[in-house]
Amino acid sequence: AQKITQTQPGMFVQEKEAVTLDCTYDTSDPSYGLFWYKQPSSGEMIFLIYQGSYDQQNATEGRYSLNFQKARKSANLVISASQLGDSAMYFCAMREPNTGGFKTIFGAGTRLFVKA
Amino acid sequence: DTAVSQTPKYLVTQMGNDKSIKCEQNLGHDTMYWYKQDSKKFLKIMFSYNNKELIINETVPNRFSPKSPDKAHLNLHINSLELGDSAVYFCASSLRDRDNSPLHFGNGTRLTVT
Repeated sequence: AQKITQTQPGMFVQEKEAVTLDCTYDTSDPSYGLFWYKQPSSGEMIFLIYQGSYDQQNATEGRYSLNFQKARKSANLVISASQLGDSAMYFCAMREPNTGGFKTIFGAGTRLFVKA
Repeated sequence: DTAVSQTPKYLVTQMGNDKSIKCEQNLGHDTMYWYKQDSKKFLKIMFSYNNKELIINETVPNRFSPKSPDKAHLNLHINSLELGDSAVYFCASSLRDRDNSPLHFGNGTRLTVT
């Protein structure tokens, strides 16, 4: 069963506007971490933001914020004031306990296009 | 200064050959991983090592053999390469016992099997 679901294969946003990328997850473990990564066309994977399952407040990192709704098991990424350089693939990921440590699994990704 | 470095960046080879990808991290992390990213960009974990010990093996064909000589290095050897092995392979590292430890990725190795 898919544990991380990103339902938007592609999204368009106008430069300087905000955009929300959706992510839902499924786990029975009470302790887990949620992450967003960016993959520009150059191919590297860049860590953007983290939210812990016990965190009461939504995480923010500069123009990135994570809209964490635990009861709905959603962890949407909000990018404010989009820039052309935000055009990339965005992956939601969950890190949960596994035999011997933790395991991080990824959603299928959302490709974001920022229009000038 | 590169935190996680993997070589080579590109690897083009023929079916049936054997090839290796090397990975090194200087972050002091105790856990290293191999992920495979297919042509649809889906990232799937293959292996995880902690202090040279294999802790995750995600039903990867046994043609793939990871080796970790020490906690800073994790190499991937692939025997008898097949067309379906063509993908981008990412090495990553993190701290082990923390759910808030993000993965730090290498820049990937694009493997093309012809």
